[in-house]
Amino acid sequence: AQSVTQLGSHVSVSEGALVLLRCNYSSSVPPYLFWYVQYPNQGLQLLLKYTTGATLVKGINGFEAEFKKSETSFHLTKPSAHMSDAAEYFCAVAPPPRGANNLFFGTGTRLTVIP
Amino acid sequence: KAGVTQTPRYLIKTRGQQVTLSCSPISGHRSVSWYQQTPGQGLQFLFEYFSETQRNKGNFPGRFSGRQFSNSRSEMNVSTLELGDSALYLCASSPGLAGEAYNEQFFGPGTRLTVL
Repeated sequence: AQSVTQLGSHVSVSEGALVLLRCNYSSSVPPYLFWYVQYPNQGLQLLLKYTTGATLVKGINGFEAEFKKSETSFHLTKPSAHMSDAAEYFCAVAPPPRGANNLFFGTGTRLTVIP
Repeated sequence: KAGVTQTPRYLIKTRGQQVTLSCSPISGHRSVSWYQQTPGQGLQFLFEYFSETQRNKGNFPGRFSGRQFSNSRSEMNVSTLELGDSALYLCASSPGLAGEAYNEQFFGPGTRLTVL
């Protein structure tokens, strides 16, 4: 069974500070991994994804994430937070078969950026 | 290229009624997936349609159904609405290309359904 755990439903950081959002997954086979962002009254936008290859993945808006198989983690980071980063962030997995389009999402982390 | 569109954006219904939501995927995309987002349960996969056939299904009761038309537009229907069906319903489209290991999903803005 697939599951995704996001530690911390709310995270607050000061503008310019490091952003770290945590995601752990459980899967017998390494899944494909994603981070999505959702702004108020909008749908989900893909930030980045890990499928195969390099385990450090760079995404849009300065975000990156590292796939660590030994820790079953896929934490999202950004060196310096901007006010515009305030949103809700979701980690998701796509289990095998990899062509399937059913994503399993974590419960989300709401990021607040303090001026 | 136009994005995924969902209509209506907001809907208010009463218990016992039924509702139909519509999703128009990105041009050329053949796969449409539906998700339910609620504060309590988060984002949950409902079902996926590809070439007019349901390809995957989540763990929802039979009151939730869907279909896809030959132009890839999709509708989902919820019958006998319950208060707990109040949610944001998101649609996502992807190319669904044969042989691709993964097809990126693009999400629409959602339809917010309120059941009174």
